[in-house]
Amino acid sequence: NAGVTQTPKFQVLKTGQSMALQCAQDMNHNSMYWYRQDPGMGLRLIYYSASEGTTDKGEVPNGYNVSRLNKREFSLRLESAAPSQTSVYFCASSGTSGRVGELFFGEGSRLTVL
Amino acid sequence: SQQGEEDPQALSIQEGENATMNCSYKTSINNLQWYRQNSGRGLVHLILIRSNEREKHSGRLRVTLDTSKKSSSLLITASRAADTASYFCAFFTGGGNKLTFGTGTQLKVEL
Repeated sequence: NAGVTQTPKFQVLKTGQSMALQCAQDMNHNSMYWYRQDPGMGLRLIYYSASEGTTDKGEVPNGYNVSRLNKREFSLRLESAAPSQTSVYFCASSGTSGRVGELFFGEGSRLTVL
Repeated sequence: SQQGEEDPQALSIQEGENATMNCSYKTSINNLQWYRQNSGRGLVHLILIRSNEREKHSGRLRVTLDTSKKSSSLLITASRAADTASYFCAFFTGGGNKLTFGTGTQLKVEL
């Protein structure tokens, strides 16, 4: 079982460029999440999807868009990258859409915006 | 921000000692979870404690929850060098689906 797979693992962008981070899970989970992790800030929720076809904003959604392509895949798009978006991005999934489930995380995508 | 706060931010102990880290939060919760993150890796779920539980054990881990004080603690007994990692508490906010994380405690266990 691969669990949660993120691509790419590393990416360097120039300010203003666009790109998408891809996430796929093979656990048949309903809920999927995108977080960013910055030093001293812990993890902050960008967007989440409680089920296929739905998405909702988290704590820090500005500058990002998401697509829940199907039950397996949840992508995060930066339309015009800014240096403030330099971070480590984590995708996660959960087997329930309620308040109980534990999250399973990918290994992270390290993004640098110059 | 509804983010949880953890203390200490960093903790350095000797192998064999116990490590205690604390989490405080501001909202009402149904459960609280603890996660571990090894350097450069994703987070891994350790344990979940429900709001109607005061204490829970899993191997060398002991978690307590005091909903009246809105706080939780994670105790790792007989620590090992392999326990070196960052530890985060997490809880659901915003009516259901948003799992919010604390700021984390960096634990270093030295030989």
